[in-house]
Amino acid sequence: QSVLTQPPSVSGAPGQRVSISCTGSSSNIGSGYDVHWYKQLPGTAPKLLIYGNGNRPSGVPDRFSGSKSGTSASLAIAGLQAEDEADYYCQSYDSGLIGPVLFGGGTKVTVL
Amino acid sequence: QVQLVQSGAEVRKPGASVKVSCKTSGYTFTRNAIHWVRQAPGQSLESLGWMHTGNGNRIYSQKFQGRVTFTRDTSASTAYMELSNLKFEDRAVYYCARANGSGSYLLDFWGQGTLVAVSP
Repeated sequence: QSVLTQPPSVSGAPGQRVSISCTGSSSNIGSGYDVHWYKQLPGTAPKLLIYGNGNRPSGVPDRFSGSKSGTSASLAIAGLQAEDEADYYCQSYDSGLIGPVLFGGGTKVTVL
Repeated sequence: QVQLVQSGAEVRKPGASVKVSCKTSGYTFTRNAIHWVRQAPGQSLESLGWMHTGNGNRIYSQKFQGRVTFTRDTSASTAYMELSNLKFEDRAVYYCARANGSGSYLLDFWGQGTLVAVSP
């Protein structure tokens, strides 16, 4: 069971908007540590998708956006496309005994 | 371009050790930390820790303290992860990843992964 909690799955039709939450605590996200997001296609390594809570690396479409508030963060995908079907992981840092680098449990995005 | 190329799949018996290499290119090796992350079948990502490739400092995740060792060869721009006393539950794909800086946990480039299987 991950310290950063994500919904196991979300789904949406092409063109719709979906959102993935990442809930932490006062020792990680709530302490001001940045949240990063990664996308992983089956059988491949994760790829950086969002860094520093809401910034996109070069080449990532602006359909992807991230935000953070309090002890939680979220990733939104607007205009869902077939190639967005993948697993998504949030990541942060923890000042407690667990970690210190933490990943969320992952969310499978399915495009209906 | 930045590349991280890992060594091939390994099979070990319980109680043995395994050493995975991560050869980097396309940037100055000693300017970025190397993190190690594993993923068991069907599971999430799990950090083993990281190494500052410049000064050699290592940060191990508490779960793996005492069983994992990070080393590097700066002349070969290569990082290594050794996991000892292997258990069946250590079966996973092990990734190395470059941190965006020496003290960062933002992982901007990843290796292709190395499957480690533990079998009697």
